[in-house]
Amino acid sequence: EVQLVQSGAEVKKPGESLQISCRGSGYSFSSYWIGWVRLMPGKGLEWMGIIYPGDSDTKYSPSFEGQVTISADKSISTAYLQWSSLKASDTAMYYCVKAQLSSFHRAAFDVWGQGTMVTVSS
Amino acid sequence: EIVLTQSPGTLSLSPGERGTLSCRASQRVSSNYLAWYQQKRGQAPRLLIYGASSRATGIPDRFSGSGSGTDFTLTISRLEPEDFAVYYCQQYGSSPPITFGQGTRLEVK
Repeated sequence: EVQLVQSGAEVKKPGESLQISCRGSGYSFSSYWIGWVRLMPGKGLEWMGIIYPGDSDTKYSPSFEGQVTISADKSISTAYLQWSSLKASDTAMYYCVKAQLSSFHRAAFDVWGQGTMVTVSS
Repeated sequence: EIVLTQSPGTLSLSPGERGTLSCRASQRVSSNYLAWYQQKRGQAPRLLIYGASSRATGIPDRFSGSGSGTDFTLTISRLEPEDFAVYYCQQYGSSPPITFGQGTRLEVK
């Protein structure tokens, strides 16, 4: 079974750093782009960026470039989303997603992680 | 950036009725790379339709997608109780960035 399993919920203070993870299984992790999608309370889905684990080629939404860092370690089939200094406005559910087509980032997302809730509050 | 506008914002229907959801793009969606997702409360979204009209694996045939260019539609032929959820369209023809619509909430009338 193809799966993405994300790390658990986090509660952080403003200014703290954070890295959340997404482990893929049941498919060739290196060959499919992995993206991150944000869902803020009461809002819609927002695409943050995407990475190709095979060579770490990464593309960001202009809204998120410079605000987060996306990385991947293909040796352990895991992608990461990282913040260096969290803000209260980063409070949201974050989903990792797998692109449907091998080696192609312009693809629908056929597998979603279960989501990681990040709460930033003083 | 392609902006997707979904309508209506909320759709109130009864089980057994037909549901029609709209997604309009600010520019032509390249290669009709338009997808639809369903999100139930407390769950991750699920891919329903890709390429504007192809059903994803395991999706019942009461769900269908149509349209091209800038106007797309998701139709649910006969609503089942489990279909009441939030639906999002997404374009992936112009990337980055991939963009989503703001969502349509399908609720029980």
